[in-house]
Order: sequence, then C-alpha cells, then structure tokens
Amino acid sequence: DTEVTQTPKHLVMGMTNKKSLKCEQHMGHRAMYWYKQKAKKPPELMFVYSYEKLSINESVPSRFSPECPNSSLLNLHLHALQPEDSALYLCASSQGTGAWEQFFGPGTRLTVL
Amino acid sequence: DAKTTQPPSMDCAEGRAANLPCNHSTISGNEYVYWYRQIHSQGPQYIIHGLKNNETNEMASLIITEDRKSSTLILPHATLRDTAVYYCIVRAVNRDDKIIFGKGTRLHILP
Repeated sequence: DTEVTQTPKHLVMGMTNKKSLKCEQHMGHRAMYWYKQKAKKPPELMFVYSYEKLSINESVPSRFSPECPNSSLLNLHLHALQPEDSALYLCASSQGTGAWEQFFGPGTRLTVL
Repeated sequence: DAKTTQPPSMDCAEGRAANLPCNHSTISGNEYVYWYRQIHSQGPQYIIHGLKNNETNEMASLIITEDRKSSTLILPHATLRDTAVYYCIVRAVNRDDKIIFGKGTRLHILP
C-alpha cells in the first residue's frame, strides 16, 4: 500500500467552528507533513513530524494545531479560522525526514466562510 | 525562498519529448536536484532526483549540466496525462531538510 489518504475531501466551516483534518498512511513511514496550498500557488510547508514528535513548525498561527497520535495517523485541528485560511491542505509522508521521496495525499479542500 | 528558476508555462505536442528546463545557479555541493509534478486536483508526485550524473527512471530522464547550475527534465513521449505543474527543487538531504516548492512550470500537452 503506497497511498496516503486524507479525509474529508472537502470541508466548509464557519469562523467559529472547530474541525479536524485527518491523514493516514500504512507504509511504515516515520515522517509526516502538513502543507498548505492556495490557488495557483505552490505548496507551502506547515508542520513536520518525525517519529511522532513535532520537529518543524513553520511559524504557523495557533489556530492550526497538529497532532500525531501514532505513526500512521496525522491530524490537523482547526479552530477560529479566517476566510484567508481557505486552501488545499496536503498531507505527505516519507521514510524519514531525509528520505528521497515524499508521498502526498490528494488533499482536503477547505473553505472558511 | 525557492532556489530555482523555471519558465511559467510550456506547450508540447502529444507523442513528442517534453524538455523542461530549470536554473539553479546557487546550488551547493551537497544539494540534489529533485523534480515533482502536480496534476490538477491531486497532490504532488515525485518524479526523479539527481546529484551530478544524468538519471533515468520509468517516468523521465534528468540531465544535469557539468557545472550543476542548470538541469532539464525530459519526458520522452509526452501524453495528455502528463499535463501538470512541474516543480524543480534543490534540496540538501540532511536530518531537518525541507522541500521548498518554487512556482513551477505549467506544462500543457497538446493533442
């Protein structure tokens, strides 16, 4: 299984809502990533987890809260988001942070009203 | 910031070779050249990487100039499914390394 799955595919939320994005991989990878991608822009790194510990936070606002409950699962908890946070949120995984290849999921398209 | 420069868009006829250039004039000795692509509505997909030798796999070939300041990704027989944004990335492989995507080249394969 060389797939990274993300749920939900689409999410619409209000600025006062709390929601979570979920990412899962069963490739035994020990590094997992969250990226944010605005329309017609390249993906931008948000967080890196290595061996279930947060190793990189790219100065992301605290309204985004990542969580890695186990080596296969990565969550992104969302609270009090702004309309400008609307974007495609991509999850990726790799064997380690220095691995050649990152495997990306299809993303969750988030709309904040 | 991204360390690479790519043309914003290119066209290629179906069945022909697509040659995508990338400039990385400030590349360091321990940095590799990577290529990813992103088909519409999908996540990015790894294509190939190299250090200084030319590389080939089932998807593409990577030609790196001798001074390593530029490279070319070659899709030998482009199909409509190769229409995507192609990202050239320079990346050192170390413990805390990150992939930094530049603006990429939007490749249109024409029927």
